Amino acid sequence: LAKTTQPISMDSYEGQEVNITCSHNNIATNDYITWYQQFPSQGPRFIIQGYKTKVTNEVASLFIPADRKSSTLSLPRVSLSDTAVYYCLVGGSSNDYKLSFGAGTTVTVRA
Amino acid sequence: DAGVIQSPRHEVTEMGQEVTLRCKPISGHNSLFWYRQTMMRGLELLIYFNNNVPIDDSGMPEDRFSAKMPNASFSTLKIQPSEPRDSAVYFCASSLSGVGYTFGSGTRLTVV
Repeated sequence: LAKTTQPISMDSYEGQEVNITCSHNNIATNDYITWYQQFPSQGPRFIIQGYKTKVTNEVASLFIPADRKSSTLSLPRVSLSDTAVYYCLVGGSSNDYKLSFGAGTTVTVRA
Repeated sequence: DAGVIQSPRHEVTEMGQEVTLRCKPISGHNSLFWYRQTMMRGLELLIYFNNNVPIDDSGMPEDRFSAKMPNASFSTLKIQPSEPRDSAVYFCASSLSGVGYTFGSGTRLTVV
């Protein structure tokens, strides 16, 4: 499985845009990039998944450069309720659906 | 859909006792995963099933841990005998062919 590297923590203020970059230099050709969000005492929640270029949904945007060795999760106009741990995962290619979670990025949004 | 359902939500047991955690995946999902989360080690994948068949159990800590999936709508994770170091939150997740896992609310296990 491709190893991912992301910042341990990030601080922000309400209304700001938060961008979390994840490095995955050894990503395989068929791997997808997936981001999850976890609140305390809850299981991780799927946010967004992409393979290349840009993906956007109602929660976030995911930017993936052409070489796919990194990706950036963008959270627009964060609120206090966006305080959580965000995980970047790479994998799920072919018939191997195993995903391994790293330490994640703890995002703290302040008023 | 009620999502992935795990039971119990909390379990407190004495060292040496058998513990059984239960999971009902989302109907139609063909992959099921058991994870364990602790402060020290984060989220660890213990085992995953595809179409009710165990595919990879390399994350199972030792022989005290076992998991079964007798049918597409039910899975168990058993620890026998339990030890204090097994205390953690255990999550079950399911997906359809690896697209977007859905996690349950977890079982918080405390072994005293």
